[in-house]
Order: sequence, then C-alpha cells, then structure tokens
Amino acid sequence: KAGVTQTPRYLIKTRGQQVTLSCSPISGHRSVSWYQQTPGQGLQFLFEYFSETQRNKGNFPGRFSGRQFSNSRSEMNVSTLELGDSALYLCASSSEGLDSYNEQFFGPGTRLTVL
Amino acid sequence: GQNIDQPTEMTATEGAIVQINCTYQTSGFNGLFWYQQHAGEAPTFLSYNVLDGLEEKGRFSSFLSRSKGYSYLLLKELQMKDSASYLCAVRDQYSNYQLIWGAGTKLIIKP
Repeated sequence: KAGVTQTPRYLIKTRGQQVTLSCSPISGHRSVSWYQQTPGQGLQFLFEYFSETQRNKGNFPGRFSGRQFSNSRSEMNVSTLELGDSALYLCASSSEGLDSYNEQFFGPGTRLTVL
Repeated sequence: GQNIDQPTEMTATEGAIVQINCTYQTSGFNGLFWYQQHAGEAPTFLSYNVLDGLEEKGRFSSFLSRSKGYSYLLLKELQMKDSASYLCAVRDQYSNYQLIWGAGTKLIIKP
C-alpha cells in the first residue's frame, strides 16, 4: 500500500498570502488529521476530518481551514499568512476516527516558510 | 488543563539501555502513544498503552501508570539508527479524543 502523501513538500510564501496544502491518505483510510510542528513546541492539532466531515478542531484561528473530499483526500488552507505560520505541516491518516484505537500514519509533511 | 512533559534531550551509548519518561496531566485520559521521528522524516508509531503495565515489542517497551500520570519508553540494545526524537502523545476523551503531544525527546546515540 502506498503511504500518506503530501504536496507540496516545500513552500515559500510572503506575509498576507494564502496557501493550500494537500494530503492523500492511505487507501481505505477515512480519517485525516492535520498537525503543525514547530521546534520545541511539539505537534499542535489543527483538525480532523472523517468521511468529509470535520469532527474535531484544535485551538487555531479561523485563518486555518480544511476540507475533505469524497475520495478522502484532504486540503488545508491558511489565509493571510503570518511569520509565525512558518512550520512543518503534517497530515496523518487512520482507518477509523481518533476515538478508536488505531495508529495514525503520517505523511512526510509540507515545510512552509513565510517571509 | 492539559500538559505533557518529556526531557528535551538525552544521550546514550550504543548497546546500552535508555529510558525516556513522559508525565502527563489530563482529565480525560484515554490512551498514550509513543512515536519515533527521525530528523526530516514523518513520525512513525511505536506503541500504545491504555491499561497500566508494560507492553513489550522487540527492543522497545512502554510502561504506563495511570494513577501517577506517567509513562516511559525503554529502548534496549541501542543502535545508532535509534538516534531520533521520541514523541509522547495522550488521547483526551474530553477534548473529543484529540491527541495532546509532548515536545519530544531528542535521543543521541554515541558509539
């Protein structure tokens, strides 16, 4: 089975711009979660989508949004970029939702740099 | 509130044993995960504990004490490839089963 893929792998944007990141989960996985990872902060949960519905949302401002398509692929959008949005954005998929015991499989991440 | 603490960095010698501790505070504990993350790579699942006790998986073992809010990951017969960050995450049922992550422990293995 192919793993979780994320595109693009690297991205450079300037303040005020908006960006869309894409995640393709493992075939058959219905849950996709997004995380922001910065040095020293650990992974911060952004949101979880399950069967096209947002089931869970972390404490991020409304500039961060996402969606999931019928094929389980997910996109994350960040509008009005700020310098502090520079981070590694990780996508993780699992066969069931976060309320079930099942490991999450992570993609390689998208490294976003905001100048 | 929710809080996960891990040491920032640890150093150990090839062939030795190392224990990485994780303490947590959460009102809705519903399981604890350990992940390994090599530099520049995605985190990969190592272990899951929801009941007290030790879970052994080859060279890696994970222990949980729910009453103490404490877990550790034990790595035996250390190899150079074990140099990585080790992430502890707790699932919180009162936060809709979100995973709350520690900042990770960077493990450096020396020959």
